Amino acid sequence: GAGVSQSPSNKVTEKGKDVELRCDPISGHTALYWYRQSLGQGLEFLIYFQGNSAPDKSGLPSDRFSAERTGGSVSTLTIQRTQQEDSAVYLCASSLLQGATNEKLFFGSGTQLSVL
Amino acid sequence: AQSVTQLGSHVSVSEGALVLLRCNYSSSVPPYLFWYVQYPNQGLQLLLKYTSAATLVKGINGFEAEFKKSETSFHLTKPSAHMSDAAEYFCAVSDKGSSNTGKLIFGQGTTLQVKP
Repeated sequence: GAGVSQSPSNKVTEKGKDVELRCDPISGHTALYWYRQSLGQGLEFLIYFQGNSAPDKSGLPSDRFSAERTGGSVSTLTIQRTQQEDSAVYLCASSLLQGATNEKLFFGSGTQLSVL
Repeated sequence: AQSVTQLGSHVSVSEGALVLLRCNYSSSVPPYLFWYVQYPNQGLQLLLKYTSAATLVKGINGFEAEFKKSETSFHLTKPSAHMSDAAEYFCAVSDKGSSNTGKLIFGQGTTLQVKP
């Protein structure tokens, strides 16, 4: 497809389980971002990948969260031992060039994560 | 650290009335500022951006925003609201100003309701 693709669109899991969320950015986009959208909290930055540079992980809320980007394309966000406060919409975005300032971000539709 | 504050989590206007969505920023460097819109059941998309070229920025769908350094504001306006403008609007600032490695820091969002 032409846009940013995220899967699954919805994920329901039990507290304590691990989950993996997938993001396929637009082909050729070098920058990839993960954000979390919670009710009343806006968009919370999680992690940012740019080409072969070390990712900016400054937004990850705890060590239960990790992400990788293989081959400069697909990215997986992993949440271990999920907690109820992890419930949110997880958004992925990509941009063509180096960063957010000169290139607009293209967002996926998100993964709605519900932790019971 | 750079941040944005959106005043008012919900704004309601009548169709045809002026739309004003408020955003104030805090930045230690000359800021790059953005407005993104999220229509129901769609991903976020760029509405407009300020990158120091002109203080009045025009975006899609008749929206515009004015950068006012003295007021540290970047309010979004539209002269006449349309029913299709009902959406959630996010103000954002690049955390490193003009640096290409900057990531976007988003506000908490404002839900715009348009009444017939």
